[in-house]
Parts: sequence; structure tokens; C-alpha cells
Amino acid sequence: NAGVTQTPKFQVLKTGQSMTLQCAQDMNHNSMYWYRQDPGMGLRLIYYSASEGTTDKGEVPNGYNVSRLNKREFSLRLESAAPSQTSVYFCASRAALTPNTGELFFGEGSRLTVL
Amino acid sequence: RKEVEQDPGPFNVPEGATVAFNCTYSNSASQSFFWYRQDCRKEPKLLMSVYSSGNEDGRFTAQLNRASQYISLLIRDSKLSDSATYLCVVNTASGGSQGNLIFGKGTKLSVKP
Repeated sequence: NAGVTQTPKFQVLKTGQSMTLQCAQDMNHNSMYWYRQDPGMGLRLIYYSASEGTTDKGEVPNGYNVSRLNKREFSLRLESAAPSQTSVYFCASRAALTPNTGELFFGEGSRLTVL
Repeated sequence: RKEVEQDPGPFNVPEGATVAFNCTYSNSASQSFFWYRQDCRKEPKLLMSVYSSGNEDGRFTAQLNRASQYISLLIRDSKLSDSATYLCVVNTASGGSQGNLIFGKGTKLSVKP
């Protein structure tokens, strides 16, 4: 049972390069999320998709775009990477559409360094 | 006031000790509350949900005080394997919306032999 799978696990980019982080879940969850985690900042929501076909901005969306390709997949794109985007990125999914239930399942994280 | 605040620690305790973490939240309309655990260089995982009446899972007890807007996590008889960062998570949903899960920055626990 794979759960939430993210690729790549590690990536080094130069300033201005672009890349896409891929995320897939095999739990038939409706909602998917992208977070970034920085030392001393905690987890911050970048974008989320409450259901297939919808995406919404989170707390820190600038410099990112997302695509909910289908129910399973939710990708995060950096069009022109900046050193401030050096971080650990987590994809997560959740089954429930109601707020009081629905555990968040996280991928193992993608460590991105922008030089 | 930050939306979800936790004491960052670290809490350094000996094995067998009882340790408590508190978390405060600013949005009085918050609907649901959780504790997640994150091991070093790993992803967060749900430890337990926090219910209004308080709830217990083995050595772990979670409590919610809506009037004072804080959540607590008590760990009894600490084990070396409890060493991790504990994240307080609050759902700001209201009405029929799914809401947004807000994470605290986490409290680091280190249990020593």
C-alpha cells in the first residue's frame, strides 16, 4: 500500500530554472495539498485541491502553480526557482470533505535546494 | 497573535517522565483539533484527534479547552521512541466548508535514557 508518493525526493536547481514536483495517492482521496516546511516556520500551505477539478491558493502561493491532473495526481510547479524556495515540500491527501474528520496522509517529502 | 502557537522546546526529559505540551489557537470558530507527530527528517503522521470531552490513547491524553482556546497533550511514562516533534493542528472550518488545517510550528521532545 503506497499511500502518497512524491517525486523527486531530492533536487538541486539553479536560480531561474523550472521544475515540477509530482504527487500521487492511491487511497481514492478527494482532497490533496502541497505544503512547504522551513526551519522555525512550521508547515505552510501552498495550494490545495478540495476535489478533482478544483484548486485554491493557500497561505504562500506566490511563485508556484499547481495542476490536479486527475483524482490521483496533484503536481506543483516552480516556473522560475528562487533561493527563497529552498525548502522541504510535502504533498498530502485527505478523504473527507467535512472538517471534523479525515486524517491527512503525507508523502515522504521532497528536499529542494535552489542555488 | 499567531493562529496556532506552541512552545518550541526542546523538552529534554528522562525516560519514564510525564511531559505536557500546550497549544493555543486564535480562531474561536475552529472546529476540530489534532496532534501530529513528526520524526526527524520524516513526514508528519497523525497521533490523535482531540475531542471536546478529552480523549486518551494508551500513554497519551489530549484535552481541549474551548473557553481558553487551548489544546494539551500529556505523555505519561515517556519512552525513548517518543522523541520527536509534536505538531498541534487546528481546522478553521466553519459552516459547510472544508476549512483549512493550520499547523503549529511544533514542540520538540527529546527523551533521554
